[in-house]
Amino acid sequence: GENVEQHPSTLSVQEGDSAVIKCTYSDSASNYFPWYKQELGKRPQLIIDIRSNVGEKKDQRIAVTLNKTAKHFSLHITETQPEDSAVYFCAASPPHSNSGYALNFGKGTSLLVTP
Amino acid sequence: EAGVAQSPRYKIIEKRQSVAFWCNPISGHATLYWYQQILGQGPKLLIQFQNNGVVDDSQLPKDRFSAERLKGVDSTLKIQPAKLEDSAVYLCASGQGAQETQYFGPGTRLLVL
Repeated sequence: GENVEQHPSTLSVQEGDSAVIKCTYSDSASNYFPWYKQELGKRPQLIIDIRSNVGEKKDQRIAVTLNKTAKHFSLHITETQPEDSAVYFCAASPPHSNSGYALNFGKGTSLLVTP
Repeated sequence: EAGVAQSPRYKIIEKRQSVAFWCNPISGHATLYWYQQILGQGPKLLIQFQNNGVVDDSQLPKDRFSAERLKGVDSTLKIQPAKLEDSAVYLCASGQGAQETQYFGPGTRLLVL
């Protein structure tokens, strides 16, 4: 099955700096890569996702890059703010024909943005 | 748009007892997932439904866990009997189907004593 590795496990940055979180996956058939943000005691919330037909996607301060050859993808957050502090999870999934994605999650990165 | 609903939000039981969780997905979502999230880890898929059929239950500990989605809408997840290591947050998620975003519910936090 799919195995997703995520690094670093903790990341501390100063407000305004950039943060980068990296993930690798093992199953070359995986073609959907979402990133979720989870605040303490809350549900995971999708912040951005990318599919294998593109190499990069950006949404305001957040961007994701995908290298299918190397089987790794990264989350980039620019101009970080204290409210970006949370645990971030990457995930990867091969498709099940027409029945959606079963996500395989990394272990998470705890991001702390200090003022 | 209403989100994914789950109940109860918290449950404390003793080991060897039984417990059941309920999930109501977003209206119209055909696919429903149950995940287990142990403290400090990412969610782990337990079971995936497409309408009322099971798509993937390969990681469900079937000797003690069961799940059903009889009418293709609501779903229940049951643990019988519970073990200490079942203490976790049980997350339900739903999606419209192939290549669509999964939306998570608030989760049920289970503590087994």
